[in-house]
Amino acid sequence: DTGVSQDPRHKITKRGQNVTFRCDPISEHNRLYWYRQTLGQGPEFLTYFQNEAQLEKSRLLSDRFSAERPKGSFSTLEIQRTEQGDSAMYLCASRTGATYEQYFGPGTRLTVT
Amino acid sequence: AQTVTQSQPEMSVQEAETVTLSCTYDTSESDYYLFWYKQPPSRQMILVIRQEAYKQQNATENRFSVNFQKAAKSFSLKISDSQLGDAAMYFCAYRSAGDKIIFGKGTRLHILP
Repeated sequence: DTGVSQDPRHKITKRGQNVTFRCDPISEHNRLYWYRQTLGQGPEFLTYFQNEAQLEKSRLLSDRFSAERPKGSFSTLEIQRTEQGDSAMYLCASRTGATYEQYFGPGTRLTVT
Repeated sequence: AQTVTQSQPEMSVQEAETVTLSCTYDTSESDYYLFWYKQPPSRQMILVIRQEAYKQQNATENRFSVNFQKAAKSFSLKISDSQLGDAAMYFCAYRSAGDKIIFGKGTRLHILP
C-alpha cells in the first residue's frame, strides 16, 4: 500500500496559463476526491468520482476547472486560464466503498503569479 | 446546508497535559458521520477519530477521545498526555449520507515542551 500520490508537488504558473495535476489513488480504491485548501482554511470539496463516473461537482468548480478519471484509476484536474485566486493547495483523497476513511495525498501547491 | 464551526483558531498545551478542541456543526440530517483530521506541517491529512451519529457511545482511539453531543450538535476532541508529535492543524469534519466531507477552518495546536 503506497498511499495516495500527487504530481507535481509544487507548480508555479503565470496568470492565464493552463495547468494539470495528477492524482494516483491507493490501488483498488474506487472512490476519488478532489479538494482545494487555501491558506488558513479547511479543505473545500471540489468533486468526486466513483470508478470513472464523476458523481458530484461543487459550485466552486467553475467552467475553467475540469476533472477526469478515464479508466477508474488515476485522475487529472485541469485548470484553464488560471487566475491568482486559483492559488491554493489541491488535495486528492481516495477510499474504498467499504470504509469511511478518506486517505489524503500530500497535495499540489499551485501558485499563480 | 451543513456547516462546521471551530471557534478556536489556535491553542497551546503543555506536554503531557490534556487539551480539548471544540467543534460545533449544523445539519438537519439525522444520519451522518463526524471526523477529526490532523494535518501536520508536512500537510498530509490523517484521520484521527470518527464518530457515527447513530452511536451514542463516544469514540476513543488511544489518547484521543471525543465528546459527542448530538442534540447540541457538538463534537469536541480531547487529547490526553499531549506529545510533541501532536502539534498540527486539527480539522473537524462532517460527512452526510452523500460522500463529500465538509471541514471546519481548523485549530492550530501547539505543544509546549
